[in-house]
Amino acid sequence: EAGVTQSPTHLIKTRGQQVTLRCSPISGHTSVYWYQQALGLGLQFLLWYDEGEERNRGNFPPRFSGRQFPNYSSELNVNALELEDSALYLCASSFGGLLGEDTQYFGPGTRLTVL
Amino acid sequence: AQSVTQLDSQVPVFEEAPVELRCNYSSSVPPYLFWYVQYPNQGLQLLLKYLSGSTLVKGINGFEAEFKKSETSFHLTKPSAHMSDAAEYFCAVSGANAGGTSYGKLTFGQGTILTVHP
Repeated sequence: EAGVTQSPTHLIKTRGQQVTLRCSPISGHTSVYWYQQALGLGLQFLLWYDEGEERNRGNFPPRFSGRQFPNYSSELNVNALELEDSALYLCASSFGGLLGEDTQYFGPGTRLTVL
Repeated sequence: AQSVTQLDSQVPVFEEAPVELRCNYSSSVPPYLFWYVQYPNQGLQLLLKYLSGSTLVKGINGFEAEFKKSETSFHLTKPSAHMSDAAEYFCAVSGANAGGTSYGKLTFGQGTILTVHP
């Protein structure tokens, strides 16, 4: 069974540009989660999508946005890139438990570098 | 609100020595607890999880963790370390708010880097 896949693996952008990251969940999973892992800041929750809807959002500015498609894949968009957006962006998927009991399985991540 | 504290940022051990990585959590509702491992330049791999039932949980690669509600702890242990265990380990908590709605997110500790010396 294929795991969570993310693309691209790496990318380099300059300040002010926009970027789109992509994630395909494990087959059968309906929930997709995005996390940011920045140096010195640990793993921070960004967004949760389930059944095409945004269910929860972390403490990030509105220039971080995303969507989930009918096939449950997801995109994360970051506008007006800043240097501090440089990080590993991790996507996870799950069956979408109502009480948070479901297990999240992670992809390999996209390494974003902002110059 | 939920939070996780990993008490050690780095834990050095010798090969074949026992390993203990400490994790304490804070949660206003019964928590769901997880340990993940991250190898360099990779994503997170699930080691084990506690949802309910037996408080001693066995995971992959010989790791175990014990849920102690009275101590709000979920420490990760392994009787004998291997060189391949060298990685960063994250404890995480998820759950629902008092109204029963899932947060939908994992709250992670700051991570513990396990180094294994020959």
